[in-house]
Amino acid sequence: GNSVTQMEGPVTLSEEAFLTINCTYTATGYPSLFWYVQYPGEGLQLLLKATKADDKGSNKGFEATYRKETTSFHLEKGSVQVSDSAVYFCALSDQGNTPLVFGKGTRLSVIA
Amino acid sequence: DAGVIQSPRHEVTEMGQEVTLRCKPISGHNSLFWYRQTMMRGLELLIYFNNNVPIDDSGMPEDRFSAKMPNASFSTLKIQPSEPRDSAVYFCASRGTGGPYEQFFGPGTRLTVL
Repeated sequence: GNSVTQMEGPVTLSEEAFLTINCTYTATGYPSLFWYVQYPGEGLQLLLKATKADDKGSNKGFEATYRKETTSFHLEKGSVQVSDSAVYFCALSDQGNTPLVFGKGTRLSVIA
Repeated sequence: DAGVIQSPRHEVTEMGQEVTLRCKPISGHNSLFWYRQTMMRGLELLIYFNNNVPIDDSGMPEDRFSAKMPNASFSTLKIQPSEPRDSAVYFCASRGTGGPYEQFFGPGTRLTVL
C-alpha cells in the first residue's frame, strides 16, 4: 500500500539556520505530493505541492522537489524564522477519490 | 471563500454526555473527511464521504462514534456516550474534484471530556 515516511522530530534550529525535513514515499502509481504545515492551535494548511517528477513546489521560502528516482520530497528552507515553528506533514495522493496519506509529522522549533 | 467551517471550536463536556461536532465543507467540494488528532496517536482518519456517501469508516474507533452527511453542505460527527479518552482535536477537511487532490482543513474542534 501507499505510505509516507518522514524524519522524526522534534527539530530545533536557531534563527536563520538551514532547514531540511526528509520525506520518502511508497506508491503504486504516480502520486501528487504535498507538504502541509500546522501552526499551534490551528488546522493543517497546504504549504506546497508537486504533481509530477522533477516538479518543484515552493511557498513562503520553502521548497521541495519531486524526486521519482529516490521516491523523495524533502522540504527545505534556506533561513528559518521563529514564525516557522510548527508541525510539518508530508502527504501523497494517487487517486482522486481516496484520502491523502500523511506522514506522522515533524515538529520544528526555531529559537531566536 | 470562507473555507471549511467547524463548530463549536471548543467543547467541554462530562463523561457520558452526547457530543455533536459540525462541519460545513467548502462549497462545490464533493469529498469530506473527519480526522482526530492527539499527542499520543497523531493524526487519524476516522471516516470519509464522497458525494455525501460514507466510503470508509474503518477508522471510527467504536460504535459510540457515528457520522452523517445529510447534504453536500453539512456533516456531523457524534459521540454518544462520550468518554475521557475521546478528548482530542477533531478536524474536518474537504476536497473538490480534479487533481492534484489537496484537502482543505477546518480549524478544528478541541473536545475535552471530563
